[in-house]
Amino acid sequence: EVQLVQSGPEVKKPGESLKISCEASGYSFTDYWINWVRQMPGKGLEWMGTVYPDDSETRYSPTFKGQVTISADRSISTTYLQWSRLTASDTAIYYCARHHGDTNHGVFDIWGQGTMLTVYS
Amino acid sequence: DIQMTQSPSTLSASVGDRVIITCRASHDINGWLAWYQQRPGNPPKLLIYKTSTLEGGVPSRFSGSGSGTEFTLTISSLQPDDFATYFCQQYSSFSSYTFGQGTKLEIK
Repeated sequence: EVQLVQSGPEVKKPGESLKISCEASGYSFTDYWINWVRQMPGKGLEWMGTVYPDDSETRYSPTFKGQVTISADRSISTTYLQWSRLTASDTAIYYCARHHGDTNHGVFDIWGQGTMLTVYS
Repeated sequence: DIQMTQSPSTLSASVGDRVIITCRASHDINGWLAWYQQRPGNPPKLLIYKTSTLEGGVPSRFSGSGSGTEFTLTISSLQPDDFATYFCQQYSSFSSYTFGQGTKLEIK
């Protein structure tokens, strides 16, 4: 079964750092871009950026460039989203999602279950 | 960035109704449009891509159409499972993807 399994919920304080993960299975990990999408409480979906696991090339939305770092470790089929200094406005659910398996275009056919991040003091 | 605007934001309908959700892009996206369904507490689920191609396993009551900057998602006969939030997404430019703000489909 093709799936993305994300790390569990996090509760952090402002100023702390964090790295969340997304482990892929059931397909060739290095063949498809993996994306990260933010959903703030009660809000819509925002594309943050993407990584190509084969060579770790990354692209970011201008909104998130410099605010987060996306990376991949092909040896364990895992991608990461990390922050160096969290703020309360980072409170959201974060999803990883794969580029479409048939087309490898920027439409997302497989999604992780989401990682809920709560940042408060 | 290409902006995506959905309408309506909320739609009230009954089981068996035919509903249409509209998505407008700020620029021509050459048909590179997808639709997702999201139920509370779950990740989005891909329904349609490239304007009108149904993702595998998606019921045929869902259909998509449009071109240029105007696109629609039609559900031909609403089922209880269909009450959810729907998002459009453009992917016309690699690594510059944007979503609509969502349409919440409620039971009337």
